[in-house]
Amino acid sequence: GENVEQHPSTLSVQEGDSAVIKCTYSDSASNYFPWYKQELGKGPQLIIDIRSNVGEKKDQRIAVTLNKTAKHFSLHITETQPEDSAVYFCAASRGGQLTFGSGTQLTVLP
Amino acid sequence: NAGVTQTPKFQVLKTGQSMTLQCAQDMNHEYMSWYRQDPGMGLRLIHYSVGAGITDQGEVPNGYNVSRSTTEDFPLRLLSAAPSQTSVYFCATGQGFGQPQHFGDGTRLSIL
Repeated sequence: GENVEQHPSTLSVQEGDSAVIKCTYSDSASNYFPWYKQELGKGPQLIIDIRSNVGEKKDQRIAVTLNKTAKHFSLHITETQPEDSAVYFCAASRGGQLTFGSGTQLTVLP
Repeated sequence: NAGVTQTPKFQVLKTGQSMTLQCAQDMNHEYMSWYRQDPGMGLRLIHYSVGAGITDQGEVPNGYNVSRSTTEDFPLRLLSAAPSQTSVYFCATGQGFGQPQHFGDGTRLSIL
């Protein structure tokens, strides 16, 4: 089955700096790659996604890049703010099954 | 518009007891799924459904049953609870494969 590895597990940045979270996947047939943000006591919330026919996607301060050859994808958050502090999960999907990475605890220091 | 509603929010069970976790959605989504979240392991898929009357197993289905009699509801049953099933359970819905999934706020389950 699919295996998704996510790094780093924890990340601290100064407010205003950029944050990058990286994921690799094992199944070359995976074709949908979402990123979720989870705040304490809440369910994961989709923040951005990318499909295998696209190399990069941006939404304001958030961007995702996908390298199908290397089977890795990354989340980039620019101009970080304290409200960006949360756990971020990457995921990869083939058919009906979504496989998640183990999560990154992002802390934005004021 | 409630989105995805999970009940109960918290539950404590004794080993061997049975329980049903409820999930209801009002978004008319065909695809529904159940995940469990354990520390350091992300979310793992338990079961999923692509429509009423159709269910399939995910990565960790053992010890859990599901059924889908309506589009709106997708209950998860624990027939004989075990301490290893202590976890946070999330229900998610979406329009189909490879589409954004909308998660509920979870059920926190402890089994003693």
